[in-house]
Amino acid sequence: QKEVEQDPGPLSVPEGAIVSLNCTYSNSAFQYFMWYRQYSRKGPELLMYTYSSGNKEDGRFTAQVDKSSKYISLFIRDSQPSDSATYLCAIVTGGGNKLTFGTGTQLKVEL
Amino acid sequence: DVKVTQSSRYLVKRTGEKVFLECVQDMDHENMFWYRQDPGLGLRLIYFSYDVKMKEKGDIPEGYSVSREKKERFSLILESASTNQTSMYLCASSQAKYTSGSGRETQYFGPGTRLLVL
Repeated sequence: QKEVEQDPGPLSVPEGAIVSLNCTYSNSAFQYFMWYRQYSRKGPELLMYTYSSGNKEDGRFTAQVDKSSKYISLFIRDSQPSDSATYLCAIVTGGGNKLTFGTGTQLKVEL
Repeated sequence: DVKVTQSSRYLVKRTGEKVFLECVQDMDHENMFWYRQDPGLGLRLIYFSYDVKMKEKGDIPEGYSVSREKKERFSLILESASTNQTSMYLCASSQAKYTSGSGRETQYFGPGTRLLVL
């Protein structure tokens, strides 16, 4: 079983829609979670960092962790064409020195 | 701002050639990483390093080696390039040696090198 699984998409939504991106993970000992955004032909950049169950909000983005279900989500409100990118979930593993990434979900927000 | 730079954005090499990919970070980070990224497979860790002259194998080290002679520089070497090494190569760095929950595990990525092996 993979340590983290992510639906690859692609996901296409109209501008203004609420987007939900999800990952599941296998090890209940994992505590720290991240979401990265990767634009085409660029390296990933950190979007959100969370380390507990519940929600963390940053502008139009909300990261949610449900440790009982081993499920992490990223919600994007009022999605914009500039949100079109690949979104990767990541889990801190290897004693804090490594990240294990999901395969990424490709999102396209259309006008 | 953290800056991670990679020596080339695009590279075309022939099968059997020795290939060097260079990565430099300017934030005095302890950890450096090399990944490859392929459609449907995501980011896969090739090698990482906690300190100068130190290296650890990642998930897919076969066919690769690394060198870290200075703290800011981490090189990936393809000893004899093969067509199945055609990929996007990403370098990253992070601050922490030990988990802290403070975000120091955050990895900062370079722009990537698209390598084509013919």
